[in-house]
Formats: sequence, C-alpha cells, structure tokens
Amino acid sequence: EAGVTQSPTHLIKTRGQQATLRCSPISGHTSVYWYQQALGLGLQFLLWYDEGEERNRGNFPPRFSGRQFPNYSSELNVNALELEDSALYLCASSLFRTLISNQPQHFGDGTRLSIL
Amino acid sequence: KNEVEQSPQNLTAQEGEFITINCSYSVGISALHWLQQHPGGGIVSLFMLSSGKKKHGRLIATINIQEKHSSLHITASHPRDSAVYICAVPSPIIQGAQKLVFGQGTRLTINP
Repeated sequence: EAGVTQSPTHLIKTRGQQATLRCSPISGHTSVYWYQQALGLGLQFLLWYDEGEERNRGNFPPRFSGRQFPNYSSELNVNALELEDSALYLCASSLFRTLISNQPQHFGDGTRLSIL
Repeated sequence: KNEVEQSPQNLTAQEGEFITINCSYSVGISALHWLQQHPGGGIVSLFMLSSGKKKHGRLIATINIQEKHSSLHITASHPRDSAVYICAVPSPIIQGAQKLVFGQGTRLTINP
C-alpha cells in the first residue's frame, strides 16, 4: 500500500510569489491535514480537508489556502510569500468516522519551502 | 488549550544506553501519539496509545492518563535511533476528527 506522497520535495521561491504544494493521501483516506514546521518551531496545524471541503483551519492568515480534489488529493497554496513562510510543510491523511475518535494520522515526507 | 511539554529537548547518549523521553500535557485526552522525525523531515508514527504500555521492538511507550504523562523508552540504543522524537495529543475539531497538538520534540543523538 502506497503511503502519503507529497510533491515537490523542495521548492524555492522569492518573496511575493505563490507556492503550490501537493499531497496524495493513502488510498481510502478521505481526510487530509496540513501542518507547518517552521525553523526552530514545533509543528503547527494549518488546515483540514475532508470530502472536498475545508473543515477547519489553524491560526494562519487567509493567504494560506488550499483545496481537496474528488480523488481526495489536496493542494496547499500560499500566496504573497513572506520570508517567515520558509518551513517544512507536512501532509497527513486519515480516515474520518464521526463515531470513532483517535484515527491515526499517516504522514508524508514533507515539502521544504524556502523563500529567498 | 492543550499544552504539550517534552523533556529533555536534547539528549546525547552512547550506543547501548537505555533512553527515556518524557511528555506531559495539560488537559485530559483519550490518546497520545509518539512520532519520529528523521533529518530529511519525514515523520513516522511510532505509537498511538490510550492506556498502559505498548512495545514495538526496542521501543516502549507508556502513558498515565490520570497524571497526564507519557514516556518513550528505547532499549539498547543504536546510532540509527538518532532522530527527533515528538509527542502529540489530539485536540478535537468535531466528533471523529482531531488536529494534533505537538510537543517541541526531543533531539536524540546516539554515538557509536
């Protein structure tokens, strides 16, 4: 079974540009979570998508957005890039069952975004 | 808001030593995750546990829900165990879904 895959592995952009990061979940998983790990900081929750909809977002500005496609893959878009957006962006997928809590999240290897 | 504290932040040991990493959290939870992050950045889920103890190879995780504390132990440590170990607790979004709240991580270095 293929795991969570993310692309690209590395992405270099300049201030003001836009970045698009991609994530393919484990087959059968409908939920995709995005997390940011900035240098020197811990992992922070960014966004949660399920069944094609944004269901929840963390404390990030609106220029962080994304979408989920019918095949449950997801894109994270970051507009008007700033230097502090340089970070490792991790995607995780899981099942979502309303009556079952604590579904494990399976992580990808991340996309390292560098802003010059 | 659930705060997750890990200790130590950095740990260096010699090959073969017994390793313990601790995690404390501030509010009640139903389960806790231990994750491993290698230098390349990818994260592997080691354990999800809600009570007692789990063992996988040389890794052992324990949790005390009442005391809001968990430990990760590594027996007979090896240089390949060198990584950042992160504990994470679920923060419910809605029934059946939760975002993870992470500790700052413990950077473990095992010297040969």
